[in-house]
Amino acid sequence: GAVVSQHPSWVICKSGTSVKIECRSLDFQATTMFWYRQFPKQSLMLMATSNEGSKATYEQGVEKDKFLINHASLTLSTLTVTSAHPEDSSFYICSARVGYGDYEQYFGPGTRLTVT
Amino acid sequence: EDKVVQSPLSLVVHEGDTVTLNCSYEVTNFRSLLWYKQEKKAPTFLFMLTSSGIEKKSGRLSSILDKKELFSILNITATQTGDSAIYLCAPQSSGDKLTFGTGTRLAVRP
Repeated sequence: GAVVSQHPSWVICKSGTSVKIECRSLDFQATTMFWYRQFPKQSLMLMATSNEGSKATYEQGVEKDKFLINHASLTLSTLTVTSAHPEDSSFYICSARVGYGDYEQYFGPGTRLTVT
Repeated sequence: EDKVVQSPLSLVVHEGDTVTLNCSYEVTNFRSLLWYKQEKKAPTFLFMLTSSGIEKKSGRLSSILDKKELFSILNITATQTGDSAIYLCAPQSSGDKLTFGTGTRLAVRP
């Protein structure tokens, strides 16, 4: 149980275009999903927290107009990188939590974004 | 600002050795501490610790939390080459935010 999927697993796009990444909880309903970014040889950095049906909460320094998050259902959250630039190239990972309180987060397999 | 320090940064051992990975933290409104194993892709969940002094075990892995000293350790006994990975410690605050350390890179040689 507690499987989280992401799509696509990797994507290459041109500078200035937008890219959408999907995160799905396959066998449970996720009240909260989290989006992280990981640069090479660095740890995961939380970008934003999204609760189903409400606006995402972004971490300091993360542009909400650039990284659009939609958590439309209890099993799906999307991250859209708008007007992507080469510096947005990174590994984007989502995680999902089952409920509120002391519930562990389960991570998706990640999406490797390369902006050329 | 929340802070997580893991040590050692990297470790090379031989199969069969026992290793201890350390994690010290300072977070606001601490709720729990999670350990993850990261190989080539996303982290996989190992343990969640919420209470001090209670060891959690899973096979050859075990972990314990000291909320007074703001410290946790992860032990791996009888290491195998498949244990080679980056081990991440992540304290969780009441806002559900996980703050990740940079991890300990473990390499287990045959």
